[in-house]
Amino acid sequence: AQSVSQHNHHVILSEAASLELGCNYSYGGTVNLFWYVQYPGQHLQLLLKYFSGDPLVKGIKGFEAEFIKSKFSFNLRKPSVQWSDTAEYFCAVNSHSGGYQKVTFGTGTKLQVIP
Amino acid sequence: ETGVTQSPTHLIKTRGQQVTLRCSSQSGHNTVSWYQQALGQGPQFIFQYYREEENGRGNFPPRFSGLQFPNYSSELNVNALELDDSALYLCASGWDRENTEAFFGQGTRLTVV
Repeated sequence: AQSVSQHNHHVILSEAASLELGCNYSYGGTVNLFWYVQYPGQHLQLLLKYFSGDPLVKGIKGFEAEFIKSKFSFNLRKPSVQWSDTAEYFCAVNSHSGGYQKVTFGTGTKLQVIP
Repeated sequence: ETGVTQSPTHLIKTRGQQVTLRCSSQSGHNTVSWYQQALGQGPQFIFQYYREEENGRGNFPPRFSGLQFPNYSSELNVNALELDDSALYLCASGWDRENTEAFFGQGTRLTVV
């Protein structure tokens, strides 16, 4: 069965600290990987995605993620966080077999950045 | 704003009743997917439609059903409501069947009493 694990449920950082949020997935076939962000009071929005090619992908607002196939991981990073990065972050996996899609989200990580 | 609108924003239903939630996709999108997000959890995939045909389904019972219309708007129907169906229901639209980028609406908060 397809699953996604986000190791950190709640992370508190000071501004300018570096961020790394863990995401591991389980699935035997080809997957597409996503990070979504939900700012307080706003809808979910795409931060970045990996489909193929360079395993290091860059997203909006200075975020990046690295796909490590051997570790089934897709960790999110940012060198220096800002107070405005306070939000909930979701890792998601999309698998497709014969054109049939299945999407699995992790349980989310709440990031609180202290000024 | 994503251009994906959901209605109603809040809804209270009684156990055993039926409910229909609606989603209007962003212009140009032909894929819609629905999710259930319980408090403190990530969204759980219910199903996905591409050009009016279901092309993906999560682990939800058949009493969760859907439709996508020719104008690519969509409905989620839930029959025989249970207390555990209380959640935020999210709709997302995209422009291809692989849903390479999903644009989410604000959701409908359903409370079953």
